[in-house]
Amino acid sequence: KAGVTQTPRYLIKTRGQQVTLSCSPISGHRSVSWYQQTPGQGLQFLFEYFSETQRNKGNFPGRFSGRQFSNSRSEMNVSTLELGDSALYLCATSSGVGETQYFGPGTRLLVL
Amino acid sequence: DQQVKQNSPSLSVQEGRISILNCDYTNSMFDYFLWYKKYPAEGPTFLISISSIKDKNEDGRFTVFLNKSAKHLSLHIVPSQPGDSAVYFCAAENMNYGGSQGNLIFGKGTKLSVKP
Repeated sequence: KAGVTQTPRYLIKTRGQQVTLSCSPISGHRSVSWYQQTPGQGLQFLFEYFSETQRNKGNFPGRFSGRQFSNSRSEMNVSTLELGDSALYLCATSSGVGETQYFGPGTRLLVL
Repeated sequence: DQQVKQNSPSLSVQEGRISILNCDYTNSMFDYFLWYKKYPAEGPTFLISISSIKDKNEDGRFTVFLNKSAKHLSLHIVPSQPGDSAVYFCAAENMNYGGSQGNLIFGKGTKLSVKP
C-alpha cells in the first residue's frame, strides 16, 4: 500500500498570507488528523476528520481550519500567517477508532 | 501543563546494549499509549503500542512496559543498533473520548544515539 502523502513538502510564505496544505491518506483510511511540530512545543494536535466531519479539535486559533473530501483526502488552511506558524505540519491517517495512526512525511512551512 | 513528559532529551547507548526510554503521563483518562520513531525530514513512524489493560507488549527487539499506578511507561530496545538512532516520541490518548481517535498527546521526544 502507498503511504500517506503530503503536498507540498516545503513552502515559504510571508506574514499575512494564507496557505493550504494537502494530505492524501493510505487507501481505506477514513480518519485524518493534523499535527504541528515546533522545536518549542513539540507535536501538537490540530484537528481530526472522519467521513468529512471534524470530530476533534485542538487548542489552536480559528486561523487554522481544515476540511475533508469524500475521497478522504484532507486539506488544512492557515490564514493570516504569523512568524510563529513556521513549523512542520504532519498529517496522520487511520482506518478508524482503535486503529493506529500512520504519519506522512510532513510539510515544512517557513513564514518570513 | 504537559500531560505527557519525556524528561530525558537525549540518551547515548553502546551498540548491542539495552536502550531504555522513559515517559510519564498525568492524565489518568489515557488508555492507549504509543511509541513513534522519527528521523530528520520524515514523519514519525509507528513502533509499538500498549493498551492500559496490559502491562507489557513485545515486538521483536522492542518492548513497552506500562505501570499504570505510577503513570509511567518505558520502551526497551534490545539489542540496540546504530540504525535505531532517532528521536523517539511517546504518545497517549483516551480512546473512549467522543468515539474519536485523532487526538494523540505527544511528549517532546528523546534523541537516542547508538554508538558502534
